[in-house]
Amino acid sequence: GEDVEQSLFLSVREGDSSVINCTYTDSSSTYLYWYKQEPGAGLQLLTYIFSNMDMKQDQRLTVLLNKKDKHLSLRIADTQTGDSAIYFCAEKQIKAAGNKLTFGGGTRVLVKP
Amino acid sequence: KAGVTQTPRYLIKTRGQQVTLSCSPISGHRSVSWYQQTPGQGLQFLFEYFSETQRNKGNFPGRFSGRQFSNSRSEMNVSTLELGDSALYLCASSLAGLADTQYFGPGTRLTVL
Repeated sequence: GEDVEQSLFLSVREGDSSVINCTYTDSSSTYLYWYKQEPGAGLQLLTYIFSNMDMKQDQRLTVLLNKKDKHLSLRIADTQTGDSAIYFCAEKQIKAAGNKLTFGGGTRVLVKP
Repeated sequence: KAGVTQTPRYLIKTRGQQVTLSCSPISGHRSVSWYQQTPGQGLQFLFEYFSETQRNKGNFPGRFSGRQFSNSRSEMNVSTLELGDSALYLCASSLAGLADTQYFGPGTRLTVL
């Protein structure tokens, strides 16, 4: 299966941490990505992790991967109003021919001052 | 280095017409993928081109087609437009390999009346 699922909405106060969750179903080797989309814009790559890793940290962003539960999370530390956007997780199966990303439905994050 | 560019940014067409969208990848990138984004279906993979050949294809009708030129620029064409083709069409480029990250352009917003 190729389903990637995310919760629809997250509200957070400025300065707090945000945690966005994602579940995926494919069990083969895969790359997992987080993209950010602001209104009227394309997708901005935030970070990615390979399925043989447990964690990756990049400045305010921390990605955690639970392979057993096929659960991926993105933690944004010290959330700012500029972090308000839709966040998409996506997976790419290495075994598949070509570059095909399967996306979740997106999580809309609203940061309140 | 310039990012992925897409032209035009906005298009309005009527049912039955056809449309061609253009994508210029990041310099040196040889793979170009296309995605359709709608509120109902989310982000869906259309197809990918690499070295002027279609390497992967999503589950879309034959009205959707594409091609890639020797300079890696890509076009997609939609014939006999339907109302349901109204969407944001996103193009992404990557270097070449299956493990390479995809970078997205700002998209072309197509409205079919």
